[in-house]
Amino acid sequence: QVTLKESGPALVKPTQTLTLTCSFSGFSLNTSGMRVSWIRQPPGKALEWLARIDWDGDKFYSTSLKTRLTISKDTSKNQVVLTMTNMDPADTATYYCARTLDFWSGYYQYNWFDPWGQGTLVTVSS
Amino acid sequence: DIQMTQSPSSLSASVGDRVTITCRASQSITNHLNWYQQKPGKAPKVLIYAASSLQSGVPSRFSGSGSGTDFTLTISSLQPEDFATYYCQQSYGPPLTFGGGTRVEIK
Repeated sequence: QVTLKESGPALVKPTQTLTLTCSFSGFSLNTSGMRVSWIRQPPGKALEWLARIDWDGDKFYSTSLKTRLTISKDTSKNQVVLTMTNMDPADTATYYCARTLDFWSGYYQYNWFDPWGQGTLVTVSS
Repeated sequence: DIQMTQSPSSLSASVGDRVTITCRASQSITNHLNWYQQKPGKAPKVLIYAASSLQSGVPSRFSGSGSGTDFTLTISSLQPEDFATYYCQQSYGPPLTFGGGTRVEIK
């Protein structure tokens, strides 16, 4: 059974750096094709993809947030860490991590998020 | 970045109704399109991947179609447990992007 769980501070102050950890089980990020993404959702608003790290170490970031984000992995601990600098009240959101599943059909590779962690609410306030 | 536009943003429907939600991409994404269902206070769950493939365990009343820039999620006969918010997401990237969501409410 694959599970993921997010952890980190519930409250951060403006300008501080947020560090979130995704702890997972049931798969290894050493395995070819495995990937983990971070996604967030402000209260009452839509989902926003933030970053992804792949089994081979490749990293991808949201265009609008890439200067503030860093994603890393610790395969020995089965963890993925996301840091976001210069936090602002607009960054108040539930932050999710999710595994990316791959599927090949002919020449095309498809992927989707499954499963997701339960999410962790981060509030940015002084 | 590829922009994803969903419509409508919300709808009211009755149990047993046929419901259709559309998603439009700002450029062709072939069929790299996923649909998720999210209930209040819960994480999203994938319903459809690759535009029309039903995720294992998802009821057959859910179906997806489309390619290029225009996609549709259809619920053939709305059930009480289907009242939720639905999101499309393109996987043509990264960067990856979601639609703004469609909230399906009880009429």
